[in-house]
Amino acid sequence: DAKTTQPPSMDCAEGRAANLPCNHSTISGNEYVYWYRQIHSQGPQYIIHGLKNNETNEMASLIITEDRKSSTLILPHATLRDTAVYYCILLMDTGRRALTFGSGTRLQVQP
Amino acid sequence: SAVISQKPSRDICQRGTSLTIQCQVDSQVTMMFWYRQQPGQSLTLIATANQGSEATYESGFVIDKFPISRPNLTFSTLTVSNMSPEDSSIYLCSVEGPGGKETQYFGPGTRLLVL
Repeated sequence: DAKTTQPPSMDCAEGRAANLPCNHSTISGNEYVYWYRQIHSQGPQYIIHGLKNNETNEMASLIITEDRKSSTLILPHATLRDTAVYYCILLMDTGRRALTFGSGTRLQVQP
Repeated sequence: SAVISQKPSRDICQRGTSLTIQCQVDSQVTMMFWYRQQPGQSLTLIATANQGSEATYESGFVIDKFPISRPNLTFSTLTVSNMSPEDSSIYLCSVEGPGGKETQYFGPGTRLLVL
């Protein structure tokens, strides 16, 4: 799986949108972009994933650039409970199923 | 979704001893994974455990140190053998969702401290 690059940390004000970027310039055509987060003292939690179209669910939105070399996870109205480490992970649709975690972005939502 | 429990949730062990961690899933799943998270670090895959076959270990992890059992589709164990303080970590199991490849679900983790 190709590597991803994320900023090590970000702050966001409570109630505002949190926009978390991820670069994956060497992504291949059959690799999906997945986002997971890990709240302190818990196991990682799936958020959203996409291939090339933008995706939205009850937790977040995922914006993937047209060239698929980068993406942004958007939490539309961040709350204190969204404070966590967010991981952007690439995963092929076939073959290896295990997740390769990078360093992630530590998001601190400020009151 | 899949609900995963792990036992024990935490333990303090003496060096040279072994600890077996249990992972129980509330539904039948094909693929289970074991990860290690060292203090302040990200998760690292130890091995993939499929029912009916030997576990597949990642580089740097060996069966003698981390033997894994997968007796059925809802249960797995990871043993940390001959422990040293460097084994102090959080150990997490995960499974693929019942729908297949789309999501993985993680257990709460087992916090291990080796003295």
